[in-house]
Amino acid sequence: AQSVTQPDIHITVSEGASLELRCNYSYGATPYLFWYVQSPGQGLQLLLKYFSGDTLVQGIKGFEAEFKRSQSSFNLRKPSVHWSDAAEYFCAVTTIIQGAQKLVFGQGTRLTINP
Amino acid sequence: DAEITQSPRHKITETGRQVTLACHQTWNHNNMFWYRQDLGHGLRLIHYSYGVQDTNKGEVSDGYSVSRSNTEDLPLTLESAASSQTSVYFCASSRNVYRETQYFGPGTRLTVL
Repeated sequence: AQSVTQPDIHITVSEGASLELRCNYSYGATPYLFWYVQSPGQGLQLLLKYFSGDTLVQGIKGFEAEFKRSQSSFNLRKPSVHWSDAAEYFCAVTTIIQGAQKLVFGQGTRLTINP
Repeated sequence: DAEITQSPRHKITETGRQVTLACHQTWNHNNMFWYRQDLGHGLRLIHYSYGVQDTNKGEVSDGYSVSRSNTEDLPLTLESAASSQTSVYFCASSRNVYRETQYFGPGTRLTVL
């Protein structure tokens, strides 16, 4: 079955430091991959997505992610975090099962920013 | 601007009561989804719909039902609320089936006492 694993439940970084959030997926075909961000008490906002083409994807708020088929990974990166980046981040993969699109989420990574 | 809204944003109810959570989108999207979010589980799919009169079960559909009488709305009903259904519920929509981003509502926090 298709699955998404985010190995880090909680990450703390200092403001201005670089960030990498890990995401590994299990999917037999070409995956459609997403990163969403959820601020406290809010819904999910799309950061970026990968469907095909260039494996380095740029998103909003200065985030980028790189699709690596050989490693089944889609890690999210930001060169310099801001205090406003503190949130929960979800990686997700779209699967097609019997013609139905389903979005499978990882468990999420909570990001804390130290001043 | 087009959007997706959920109501109520917070709800407290008692075990055994019927509860309906509303979801309304103004994008004219064909597809609508309901998820629940629980610690340690991320988001799990409850029900989804690919158009008017179409509804399908997700991975955690027991105790929930939906109906789709128009494009804009997909209400989620808990027939007899249980404490295990205390959760945060998110509605989402997308335009088409394949390669489409899902857009999420702000969520409803439901507490079942």
